[in-house]
Amino acid sequence: QVQLVQSGSELKKPGASVKLSCKTSGYTFASYGMNWVRQAPGQGLEWMGWINTNTGSPTYAQGLTGRFVFSLDTSVSTAYLQISSLKTEDTAVYYCAKSVAGNIYKMDVWGKGTTVTISS
Amino acid sequence: DIQMTQSPSSLSASVGDRVTITCRASQTISTDLNWYQQKPGKAPKVLIYAASNLQSGVPSRFSGSGSGTDFTLTISSLQPEDFATYYCQQSYSGPTFGPGTKVDI
Repeated sequence: QVQLVQSGSELKKPGASVKLSCKTSGYTFASYGMNWVRQAPGQGLEWMGWINTNTGSPTYAQGLTGRFVFSLDTSVSTAYLQISSLKTEDTAVYYCAKSVAGNIYKMDVWGKGTTVTISS
Repeated sequence: DIQMTQSPSSLSASVGDRVTITCRASQTISTDLNWYQQKPGKAPKVLIYAASNLQSGVPSRFSGSGSGTDFTLTISSLQPEDFATYYCQQSYSGPTFGPGTKVDI
């Protein structure tokens, strides 16, 4: 079945960088887009953007700074989110979520999330 | 950006109750509206897509309606496993989520 397996929790200091992974299985990776969604503690869901898994072209949500980068390794059907110059406000759970065919923004399968904690 | 609002922000209900959650978009989004359920410590799960279509595997007690700017999620008979937070999400452009409605006992 379709699975999105995300990397484990991260504890980082402000100013550091982190790269999260989302390894997929059970479907043709390049046929469906991948979204990234974050959720700060006790808060709602925030769409960060998506990456076209066929072309590698990312689209970032308005207001998302250049500190966030989406990438792929199609050889291992894995999507990545790299965050640089980490700030305490980046503390959140980060989800990858697969798009459905014909609707980039409908997300039918989600990873379990990666908890990122930024603290000095 | 299209802003989404939900009401109520929380509600208390009992097993067997009929529950209705409302979602409103700041501009027309046709039927590009999805509903997700999230339980504590878990990832969201899609329930309804395109305003009124039940996602495969989701119980038929869940239903959605609406178009344009006003949408509704209804749970016809609340079950113990339905206590969760529900989010609407517009997929018309650069998706945005509503703030959520927490359903508890």
